[in-house]
Amino acid sequence: QKEVEQDPGPLSVPEGAIVSLNCTYSNSAFQYFMWYRQYSRKGPELLMYTYSSGNKEDGRFTAQVDKSSKYISLFIRDSQPSDSATYLCAMREDTGRRALTFGSGTRLQVQP
Amino acid sequence: EPEVTQTPSHQVTQMGQEVILRCVPISNHLYFYWYRQILGQKVEFLVSFYNNEISEKSEIFDDQFSVERPDGSNFTLKIRSTKLEDSAMYFCASSAGTEAQHFGDGTRLSIL
Repeated sequence: QKEVEQDPGPLSVPEGAIVSLNCTYSNSAFQYFMWYRQYSRKGPELLMYTYSSGNKEDGRFTAQVDKSSKYISLFIRDSQPSDSATYLCAMREDTGRRALTFGSGTRLQVQP
Repeated sequence: EPEVTQTPSHQVTQMGQEVILRCVPISNHLYFYWYRQILGQKVEFLVSFYNNEISEKSEIFDDQFSVERPDGSNFTLKIRSTKLEDSAMYFCASSAGTEAQHFGDGTRLSIL
């Protein structure tokens, strides 16, 4: 079983739609959860950063973590064509280890 | 907003040659990282660096790799004798502590 699984997509939605992106993981030691956005030929850009379970909202973005199910989500409201990118989930343990483990990324296309 | 900068953006090297990839982390950050992303694959952790020493490394980071912070601003990754399979995007990241890691836009390394 892969440590972090993420549907690669592509996911195509019309402008204004609500987008739901998800990752599952197997390592119960993961405590920090991140979502990054990556445009073509660019580095990962941090969108959301959460610790342990719960919800976090920032503008049009909401991150949810359900540690009991080992499942994290990113919701994008009122999606825009500029949101078209690859979305990467990443996570790490709450120990001295700082290495991030990434999902494979979901490619999102928002159609105008 | 402060950012991580990487140079060069693209490096082409003959197999067997040494290559040095350079990074300027965010100025008040104390933790530095290198990741790589082979085309079409996940972002993978290579190494983390804190207080002038390696704090963690993956099994990818073998004896042909080394890192250095030669002065107060630069952080480098050296690959001693490059192989074809070293062709990838190499990302530098930095963090202030338990906070999230911020990534540069990467160096595309092409081994011929």
